[in-house]
Amino acid sequence: IQLTQSPSLLSASVGDRVTLSCKGSQNINNYLAWYQQKLGEAPKLLIYNTNSLQTGIPSRFSGSGSGTDYTLTISSLQPEDVATYFCYQYNNGWTFGGGTKLELK
Amino acid sequence: QIQLVQSGPELKKPGESVKISCKASGYTFTDYAMHWVKQVPGKGLKWMGWINTYTGKPTYADDFKGRFVFSLEASASTANLQISNLKNEDTANVFCARWNNYGVMDAWGQGASVTVSS
Repeated sequence: IQLTQSPSLLSASVGDRVTLSCKGSQNINNYLAWYQQKLGEAPKLLIYNTNSLQTGIPSRFSGSGSGTDYTLTISSLQPEDVATYFCYQYNNGWTFGGGTKLELK
Repeated sequence: QIQLVQSGPELKKPGESVKISCKASGYTFTDYAMHWVKQVPGKGLKWMGWINTYTGKPTYADDFKGRFVFSLEASASTANLQISNLKNEDTANVFCARWNNYGVMDAWGQGASVTVSS
C-alpha cells in the first residue's frame, strides 16, 4: 500500500487550525497512525487506529478518516508543533507516507 | 520508563560491515516485537523489517533482503542489526522501534547514524 501525504510543506500561524492529509492506494481499514518527528529526534507516536490519541499527547491533536483517506488535525497550532508529520499504515505490511513539513508562518 | 538506547555513530568504508545494537529497558523484552526503520538524512522513513523477540524469527522488507541481518541477545534485552558489504546508499539514520499490541511502533531508539564513505 502506498501512502501519499499532502501538502508536502505547510506554513501556518500560531493558533491556526491545521489539517494534514494522507491518502492510501488501497483501503487501509482504519489501521492508520500518525507520527511527529522534530529535527534531530526520533519519530513520536501521536495517533493510532485512525483516531486514538497516544498517552501523553495533547488533545489539540486528533485523527479521522476511513477507507483510503485520513486526516490529522491540530486544533490550535503551537510553536512546539513545528515538525514533520508522517502517516503510517499497518493494514497490509507496514509503510510510511512521505511526510508533511509544518512550519510557522 | 520504556527506553530504547542505540549504539553510537559509525563511519565505514564501502564493502565493510556494521553492527547496530538497540538495548531495551522498562518492559519485558520478549513481549514486544522490534522493528527497524531507515531514514536518509532529510528524507522520509522506510520500514526495513522486524524480529519476533520471543522466537527470534526475522522478517525483512523486500529492499532489505540479503545484506541485512536482525538478531537478538534476549538475555541482554538487546536487538541487533548487522549490515554487510556496505554501500554508499546505506548512509542513513537507523532506528529501532518497539511494536505494540495495536500494531504500531510506540517507542523508538534515538537513532544510529551510519556513514559509508571511501
